Amino acid sequence: GENVEQHPSTLSVQEGDSAVIKCTYSDSASNYFPWYKQELGKGPQLIIDIRSNVGEKKDQRIAVTLNKTAKHFSLHITETQPEDSAVYFCAASTGSSNTGKLIFGQGTTLQVKP
Amino acid sequence: GAVVSQHPSRVICKSGTSVKIECRSLDFQATTMFWYRQFPKQSLMLMATSNEGSKATYEQGVEKDKFLINHASLTLSTLTVTSAHPEDSSFYICSAIRGSYGYTFGSGTRLTVV
Repeated sequence: GENVEQHPSTLSVQEGDSAVIKCTYSDSASNYFPWYKQELGKGPQLIIDIRSNVGEKKDQRIAVTLNKTAKHFSLHITETQPEDSAVYFCAASTGSSNTGKLIFGQGTTLQVKP
Repeated sequence: GAVVSQHPSRVICKSGTSVKIECRSLDFQATTMFWYRQFPKQSLMLMATSNEGSKATYEQGVEKDKFLINHASLTLSTLTVTSAHPEDSSFYICSAIRGSYGYTFGSGTRLTVV
């Protein structure tokens, strides 16, 4: 089955700096790669996603890149703000139209220092 | 956007009793829902895939007789933790798929077994 590895487990940056979180996946059939932000005691919230036919996607301060050959994808947050502090999870899924199981990485605790 | 409601948000029960958690898709029909379990400072672990009108598919290592899943309608899936024990204390999260919205997560249920 699919296995998703996520690094680093913790990341501390100064406000205004950039943060990068990386994930690798094992199943070459995976074709959907979302990123979630989870705050304490809440369910995960989708912040950005990318599909296997796209190499990069950007939404304001957040971007995701995908390298299918190497089977890794990354989350980039620019101009970080204290409210970006949370746990971030990458995930991967197989199947068409998001019908497959979603397997999560281990999570990254991001701390943005004011 | 797609909304998934999960209830209750918190529940405390005595060891040996059963607890039911509900997951509802509020503004769409969900033929497939997923149940996850999350221990403190850990990732979301997929427990089972719930399909409307059929038996749930459990992940390896998940006891189907202990975690009963019922998906009797297109808007409701329930997870019943039977004969709960302290080690079942965890954060349980459901997810549903809706078209282009992809995977939408509930807000989670904090189960504490005393």
